[in-house]
Amino acid sequence: AQKVTQAQTEISVVEKEDVTLDCVYETRDTTYYLFWYKQPPSGELVFLIRRNSFDEQNEISGRYSWNFQKSTSSFNFTITASQVVDSAVYFCALSSNDYKLSFGAGTTVTVRA
Amino acid sequence: GAVVSQHPSRVICKSGTSVKIECRSLDFQATTMFWYRQFPKQSLMLMATSNEGSKATYEQGVEKDKFLINHASLTLSTLTVTSAHPEDSSFYICSARPGTGLRETQYFGPGTRLLVL
Repeated sequence: AQKVTQAQTEISVVEKEDVTLDCVYETRDTTYYLFWYKQPPSGELVFLIRRNSFDEQNEISGRYSWNFQKSTSSFNFTITASQVVDSAVYFCALSSNDYKLSFGAGTTVTVRA
Repeated sequence: GAVVSQHPSRVICKSGTSVKIECRSLDFQATTMFWYRQFPKQSLMLMATSNEGSKATYEQGVEKDKFLINHASLTLSTLTVTSAHPEDSSFYICSARPGTGLRETQYFGPGTRLLVL
């Protein structure tokens, strides 16, 4: 069985602060994929990143960065210099060979001006 | 690229009626489409997996006779909520997985908010 845990339910920061969202996963598969999605108040899920289990390279995209650590089964997400537009619910998700996504509970990020 | 549309975006219906939701992949062919349900302040729960030309596979606890899924083509899947009741009120989201390219990635539609009175 697969499981994704996002221990942080809500995070509130002031604009320009950095915020890190934790994601811990469990799977018995050796090949799997990890994702982060953003869900703004409109409801639509926006794809942010995909990582496969064989690629532990960290990635940076603008103000977003991801830290994948297989040793601790974690795939954490950092928003640098947060902005009000970053306010949303962020979901970490995991899939393997059947491509079904298991979502974490989500972390609500509120960025205050 | 990788755009998925859903229609309608919002629907209000009376208890006992049926509601059809369409999910389309606009710029790619989708080998597989997925249907999720999300209750307020909760995560997404997978309801069923839909493959073109074959019967949908439902997750445990999801009634296949209540949530009818048809995947008629590589770009269209429909979810019909039959005899809807107030407890079916939820946010229904579809996703589509490309047949080529980033096959592991699901792209999501904008969702359909269903309110059953």
